[in-house]
Amino acid sequence: KQEVTQIPAALSVPEGENLVLNCSFTDSAIYNLQWFRQDPGKGLTSLLLIQSSQREQTSGRLNASLDKSSGRSTLYIAASQPGDSATYLCAVGKSSNDYKLSFGAGTTVTVRA
Amino acid sequence: GAVVSQHPSWVICKSGTSVKIECRSLDFQATTMFWYRQFPKQSLMLMATSNEGSKATYEQGVEKDKFLINHASLTLSTLTVTSAHPEDSSFYICSPRLAGRKETQYFGPGTRLLVL
Repeated sequence: KQEVTQIPAALSVPEGENLVLNCSFTDSAIYNLQWFRQDPGKGLTSLLLIQSSQREQTSGRLNASLDKSSGRSTLYIAASQPGDSATYLCAVGKSSNDYKLSFGAGTTVTVRA
Repeated sequence: GAVVSQHPSWVICKSGTSVKIECRSLDFQATTMFWYRQFPKQSLMLMATSNEGSKATYEQGVEKDKFLINHASLTLSTLTVTSAHPEDSSFYICSPRLAGRKETQYFGPGTRLLVL
């Protein structure tokens, strides 16, 4: 069974600082990995999707890397802003025919103005 | 992106009552619907997968007679929590898969259930 772990569970940084969020998974036989943002009491917004054959994906200030062999992914958020405050979840997709996702518990980020 | 709605957004009910949660894909057809549950400060956990017009497949440990899922159309799926108890209090989120778009994962805004 795939186990997804996110460290740290919570993070507080001053505005402008770069954020580094870590995700690890136990089974390296993945199809893809996604990073989501969740605001309090809300659903999920997809941020980045990395296919298993890719090493990284970038969107604006966000960059996600994937090292499938070591079972790790890292989400970098450059020049953090108070609006980046949210919980960030990583989720691992098992196969192209199975769209179930295994989620980590998330990292709750607070960016202080 | 695709628009997914859930109704109600939150509900408080007495123990023993049944609660129905609706998930609608407003601008696309969802051949498959995933229902997740999230307890405070925990991961989203998949409860069940349903395909339009067929019975849902439940994950291990999820009672199919307690969590009734109906996916009668390509734009509507419902989750009914029957005889709810306080331990069923959670955040329930639906996730439709768009027909023909394999990689896309969209999520509803969630329904918070509190059972007293």
